[in-house]
Amino acid sequence: EAGVAQSPRYKIIEKRQSVAFWCNPISGHATLYWYQQILGQGPKLLIQFQNNGVVDDSQLPKDRFSAERLKGVDSTLKIQPAKLEDSAVYLCASSSRGGAGYNEQFFGPGTRLTVL
Amino acid sequence: AQRVTQPEKLLSVFKGAPVELKCNYSYSGSPELFWYVQYSRQRLQLLLRHISRESIKGFTADLNKGETSFHLKKPFAQEEDSAMYYCALSGLNQAGTALIFGKGTTLSVSS
Repeated sequence: EAGVAQSPRYKIIEKRQSVAFWCNPISGHATLYWYQQILGQGPKLLIQFQNNGVVDDSQLPKDRFSAERLKGVDSTLKIQPAKLEDSAVYLCASSSRGGAGYNEQFFGPGTRLTVL
Repeated sequence: AQRVTQPEKLLSVFKGAPVELKCNYSYSGSPELFWYVQYSRQRLQLLLRHISRESIKGFTADLNKGETSFHLKKPFAQEEDSAMYYCALSGLNQAGTALIFGKGTTLSVSS
């Protein structure tokens, strides 16, 4: 089966600009995650969707970050306006079910964002 | 606080030597523990999880609840084991099933 797809792979922007990332999960996967990975750190959850509903967005900086998952399939993560500290790799992952109990997450290749 | 600690940033060993990548965790509840691996130019992928109690690519990890540890071990390292390894946990009793990752350990195996 095809894996999780993300685009773009790389993005360079100036601070205060806007940027959007796209994720297409594995077909049929109900749960979608966005993680932020800053250089030298492990991935950190930004938001989790179950179908098109938000399960957890407690760590999403809502003053500048937004995410949506229309129709419960593709998802878009937006930053507006970007700050220098947003430079990171943004990882999308999907799993086949949510709810209590873990189900294996499959990761995309990530989008590397550089904010100048 | 929920936290995963990997004390070593880099571990360098020779081929054939034993490997132990350390992981300690802090979690109030019943966690599930995982090791994820990222080989050069590849995606982050699951290596093993404590519930399945299996050996993958010669690696094993035992959950020690008393010491809150989940160290990854392999008796004889191979050059192809060189990669970044992340320990992670997920809560078994929460609706959100996202992973909490450690900072990762780079394993370098040389001949």
